[in-house]
Amino acid sequence: GAVVSQHPSWVICKSGTSVKIECRSLDFQATTMFWYRQFPKQSLMLMATSNEGSKATYEQGVEKDKFLINHASLTLSTLTVTSAHPEDSSFYICSARDGSNYGYTFGSGTRLTVV
Amino acid sequence: AQSVTQLGSHVSVSEGALVLLRCNYSSSVPPYLFWYVQYPNQGLQLLLKYTTGATLVKGINGFEAEFKKSETSFHLTKPSAHMSDAAEYFCAVTTPGQNFVFGPGTRLSVLP
Repeated sequence: GAVVSQHPSWVICKSGTSVKIECRSLDFQATTMFWYRQFPKQSLMLMATSNEGSKATYEQGVEKDKFLINHASLTLSTLTVTSAHPEDSSFYICSARDGSNYGYTFGSGTRLTVV
Repeated sequence: AQSVTQLGSHVSVSEGALVLLRCNYSSSVPPYLFWYVQYPNQGLQLLLKYTTGATLVKGINGFEAEFKKSETSFHLTKPSAHMSDAAEYFCAVTTPGQNFVFGPGTRLSVLP
């Protein structure tokens, strides 16, 4: 089946630094990928929709300058958290449409801790 | 706009007992409905989905769900709970051209 690889699984960074998270579709091409944020014991909140070769579409309230999304190829989307602060600590999950009938495959998630 | 509610943020069942996780949705057009499972610090795994056709949908690990339009429901069931079923379960809805909307989740505990 379709596989989405997300790296790193967890990362700890200092306040003020930037962190890049990668999301790769391993066995299919993904023209559209999605980035979610999940706080502890809460549901997933869509942050942005990433489209290959074009600018991402951000949900209301998500700072596009803080959460930079690049979808430069049909198999890779990246989320960069710039100038990270402790309140950015969260679980970030990507997903991609895998081409099946409304099939969405999710990555394994990235636990970001900003200290 | 679409929305999803999941009755019960935490459900406990005994091993071998019936699992019933409730999901109700709101949508102005025919919805596509999904159930996902999430284990700690992991992504989401699709259990099953309803798009069109048969309203009783069978998924992985013995789970199934029935789409009931009259009740706007898509409850998830499993006849006999296993310890490995303990996880967080999310119901989600989407329609053509729209993004996923996830429910708040239900944490399933399985007691020995």
